[in-house]
Amino acid sequence: GNSVTQMEGPVTLSEEAFLTINCTYTATGYPSLFWYVQYPGEGLQLLLKATKADDKGSNKGFEATYRKETTSFHLEKGSVQVSDSAVYFCALSSNAGGTSYGKLTFGQGTILTVHP
Amino acid sequence: EAEVAQSPRYKITEKSQAVAFWCDPISGHATLYWYRQILGQGPELLVQFQDESVVDDSQLPKDRFSAERLKGVDSTLKIQPAELGDSAMYLCASSLSPRETNTGELFFGEGSRLTVL
Repeated sequence: GNSVTQMEGPVTLSEEAFLTINCTYTATGYPSLFWYVQYPGEGLQLLLKATKADDKGSNKGFEATYRKETTSFHLEKGSVQVSDSAVYFCALSSNAGGTSYGKLTFGQGTILTVHP
Repeated sequence: EAEVAQSPRYKITEKSQAVAFWCDPISGHATLYWYRQILGQGPELLVQFQDESVVDDSQLPKDRFSAERLKGVDSTLKIQPAELGDSAMYLCASSLSPRETNTGELFFGEGSRLTVL
């Protein structure tokens, strides 16, 4: 079945530091890949996405590239801010049809704390 | 901006009691999901509706959990009896269709946090 593995957290950084959160996946076919973010007290919201190999998703200074050869979708940001403190979830959806279509499989989440 | 509404935000109950959560999806969204998020883990799908029909409830513990979406709009998730291991965040999400879910057009509510004592 489909699965997503994220790097262990929590991650603590100083403001303006470089961020990488690793994500690898297992899926049949060609899934779509996502990063969702959950700010304190709020629901999950889509941060960025990539729907095919070599696509780069980007939003709010965050980037992730869909690497089919390494089955990875690592999240990066060149200079984090205090306001980026949140929980980040890597997720995939299967485009292969069948019972997995239209469902998201999530990683376990990575807590990011950014200090001033 | 349209939102997915959930209530209650917080619920504390004793084990063996019944508890219910309500979700009102974004207007016009035919697909509705209930996820359970245990502390320190990612959300796991419990049930998926397409309009009023259950599409997938394979991960729903049916001996104690039930979900309905009678008119294809709002939905209720019930637990009876609640157990200690049910303590979690229950998330509702909606989209226009499974195709939109696969393109990232999936919207989550703020969740209902359940604590079972």
